[in-house]
Amino acid sequence: DTAVSQTPKYLVTQMGNDKSIKCEQNLGHDTMYWYKQDSKKFLKIMFSYNNKELIINETVPNRFSPKSPDKAHLNLHINSLELGDSAVYFCASSPPRTGGYEQYFGPGTRLTVT
Amino acid sequence: QKEVEQDPGPLSVPEGAIVSLNCTYSNSAFQYFMWYRQYSRKGPELLMYTYSSGNKEDGRFTAQVDKSSKYISLFIRDSQPSDSATYLCAMSVASGSRLTFGEGTQLTVNP
Repeated sequence: DTAVSQTPKYLVTQMGNDKSIKCEQNLGHDTMYWYKQDSKKFLKIMFSYNNKELIINETVPNRFSPKSPDKAHLNLHINSLELGDSAVYFCASSPPRTGGYEQYFGPGTRLTVT
Repeated sequence: QKEVEQDPGPLSVPEGAIVSLNCTYSNSAFQYFMWYRQYSRKGPELLMYTYSSGNKEDGRFTAQVDKSSKYISLFIRDSQPSDSATYLCAMSVASGSRLTFGEGTQLTVNP
């Protein structure tokens, strides 16, 4: 299936741990994103990469570090997890020549920090 | 004050009703306006896209942008139970710039 996929789908972990979320898209898109959606459904961009280059880096704690090994993959590593990091994290990608308005989202990773 | 304001609802309507969903915004530099639909436990999907002011129609869906009032709307005609989802408005200043989302309106269409 052509899509944006994320692993894992669910992640339950304790405060202070380090975890990673992986994202892959096989749509041939150049730009990929990480979003955080809180319990009130508010979706906020965290990072954006274009052809492996970081182009958007919102005000996010430096405990969050994205990494793009190639333009089809964008991973998110989180150090020293805190309770406030509990949220759903969405990866997305967008095709070239659409200006980024057409974004394809993955299914989300539901992170719970206890 | 948030850049984009959207009534979170919930909004509940009977099947066949006309639904009106709205967002207001404060940043007059926004030029691109989108509506995304998000089903429960899924990622958002693009529903409609409009550049600058005006109307756009796609089947039962109509998107309107009024830049003078900083107000955008999504109308759903003949609403169906399958339209039950959260609708998120999104905006951007320029092509390639970040999207700013509203907090979403949860819609339920009752059969």
